[in-house]
Amino acid sequence: SQKIEQNSEALNIQEGKTATLTCNYTNYSPAYLQWYRQDPGRGPVFLLLIRENEKEKRKERLKVTFDTTLKQSLFHITASQPADSATYLCALTSGAGSYQLTFGKGTKLSVIP
Amino acid sequence: GAVVSQHPSRVICKSGTSVKIECRSLDFQATTMFWYRQFPKQSLMLMATSNEGSKATYEQGVEKDKFLINHASLTLSTLTVTSAHPEDSSFYICSARAIAGGMAGELFFGEGSRLTVL
Repeated sequence: SQKIEQNSEALNIQEGKTATLTCNYTNYSPAYLQWYRQDPGRGPVFLLLIRENEKEKRKERLKVTFDTTLKQSLFHITASQPADSATYLCALTSGAGSYQLTFGKGTKLSVIP
Repeated sequence: GAVVSQHPSRVICKSGTSVKIECRSLDFQATTMFWYRQFPKQSLMLMATSNEGSKATYEQGVEKDKFLINHASLTLSTLTVTSAHPEDSSFYICSARAIAGGMAGELFFGEGSRLTVL
């Protein structure tokens, strides 16, 4: 069966360091992989999208990599700040034109001052 | 950025009653909206895809008679939880796909609605 794993339920990191979150998937051939931020009691907020033919994408302090051979995406936050503390979700879209997302459980990031 | 509004943000109801949750796209039109459910420390699970002017498509295991979806206009979809029971207590989130303009194709999420059934 299709599975998405964000293999750290929680991650604590010191302010200023780079946070790296992992998303692995099995039995899936995603066309797109997306990362979202979710704060407690709020809906997800879109951060970045990376396509299957892209290896890396950046946006300000964020960087996403996508390795379709390893079936893995890494999400990096450089120079992390306490305000970055949130749950980060990865989500896959199966095919072009499909907007149905399958989400991972998320990793709760805590940036310690 | 585009805004998707959900109402109510929190609702508490008695077991056996029905609850309606609204999802509105405030500054764009959406032919397709998605309804998700999220239990504590769990991922968002897609319940159904709501298409304007036609019947919703439900995911496997989601009872269409219990979770009634109506998408009557390009800016509004509603989810009605009928005869709610405590196990229906969850965080319900909608998302909407913009159909025109610079945001065409993008997905925007609402803030979610916390349902507690006593």
